[in-house]
Amino acid sequence: DAKTTQPTSMDCAEGRAANLPCNHSTISGNEYVYWYRQIHSQGPQYIIHGLKNNETNEMASLIITEDRKSSTLILPHATLRDTAVYYCIVRVINDYKLSFGAGTTVTVRA
Amino acid sequence: DTEVTQTPKHLVMGMTNKKSLKCEQHMGHRAMYWYKQKAKKPPELMFVYSYEKLSINESVPSRFSPECPNSSLLNLHLHALQPEDSALYLCASSPRQGSGHQPQHFGDGTRLSIL
Repeated sequence: DAKTTQPTSMDCAEGRAANLPCNHSTISGNEYVYWYRQIHSQGPQYIIHGLKNNETNEMASLIITEDRKSSTLILPHATLRDTAVYYCIVRVINDYKLSFGAGTTVTVRA
Repeated sequence: DTEVTQTPKHLVMGMTNKKSLKCEQHMGHRAMYWYKQKAKKPPELMFVYSYEKLSINESVPSRFSPECPNSSLLNLHLHALQPEDSALYLCASSPRQGSGHQPQHFGDGTRLSIL
């Protein structure tokens, strides 16, 4: 039973911002939103996570709506190397479980 | 470059062979994980080790046998595998098992093919 809904695929232009949406309408107060990505032939790479506040790091920004039912991952200046499957995951605060859904296949085009 | 190192990167074995996959991390993490990823599917959790003890087995067949000899090393012993076991096997680590606010870090996996 999927806890998140993401578009199957999306394209974005190199050098532009990429905005990746995720719906998690049944999220609980004790669940984080995590984002990972998986570049072809590599393992999943941690990007960012948040509970209710917006977060930013050197890779991306995470915007979580006030009701926490959806979020957007922003890659500020997409490059060809950002082409990957992006996974939005809802994870209980003290749980070991990291349950991957189908993810969004993002293709960055020159 | 990842901080979780998996060897070998590729492995081809027959159904009667015995082989092992190896995973190593030197981040001082005390939780380590094995995942299985079939082609074009998301990773699925197999095992969790916490402080070198097996804490979670996600109903994995006994032909997969995990081992954690020390806090830096995790092995997956394989015996009598089936062709449907062909997949990418991923290892991950995190500071502690229940550290939901701390990410798991993944290796690049071993791509296993069963003939």
